[in-house]
Amino acid sequence: GQSLEQPSEVTAVEGAIVQINCTYQTSGFYGLSWYQQHDGGAPTFLSYNGLDGLEETGRFSSFHSRSESYGYLLLQELQMKDSASYFCAVGQAGTALIFGKGTTLSVSS
Amino acid sequence: ETGVTQTPRHLVMGMTNKKSLKCEQHLGHNAMYWYKQSAKKPLELMFVYNFKEQTENNSVPSRFSPECPNSSHLFLHLHTLQPEDSALYLCARSQVGGEKLFFGSGTQLSVL
Repeated sequence: GQSLEQPSEVTAVEGAIVQINCTYQTSGFYGLSWYQQHDGGAPTFLSYNGLDGLEETGRFSSFHSRSESYGYLLLQELQMKDSASYFCAVGQAGTALIFGKGTTLSVSS
Repeated sequence: ETGVTQTPRHLVMGMTNKKSLKCEQHLGHNAMYWYKQSAKKPLELMFVYNFKEQTENNSVPSRFSPECPNSSHLFLHLHTLQPEDSALYLCARSQVGGEKLFFGSGTQLSVL
């Protein structure tokens, strides 16, 4: 089977940098995705790493190492609106995504 | 706006009721999904449809019955549910083989 591990909660202050780690156990090659979900809202796509390396999109960056079955989401210059749950997910092309339990990020002023 | 519309947004039903959840998308994506999200649990994949054919049924109890009449609509028929089935039910779409899911806002279901 497949399983993903990520921290349940992270707290930080505005302007800080936060890294949310994700490790997974799978039986084959998987791409790593990240989704953001605000309270009462739907998950929204943030990033996808099909290969190893770092992807940067504005204040958010995502890293993936297939050999280590590990990845992280890096959030810089944190803002109050970044308070949300962040889910890592793995999936092969042609199969549906399997999600981690999510990390609740609380940003305070 | 993700292009996925789910109705109703909220639903309260008794254990003997029959109800249906509806999901609609008009962006031509050929893969559609039902996920269940309970408190303190990860999103659980329930069903996958590729080109209107069910390709995955993730050991879901038969009291949940999906239907995909065309590439734009997906239903989840509910009957004789249990209180533990209370959760947020999310529909999602993607290109077949795509890694990016677009979710609807979900239906918050409460079973009394």
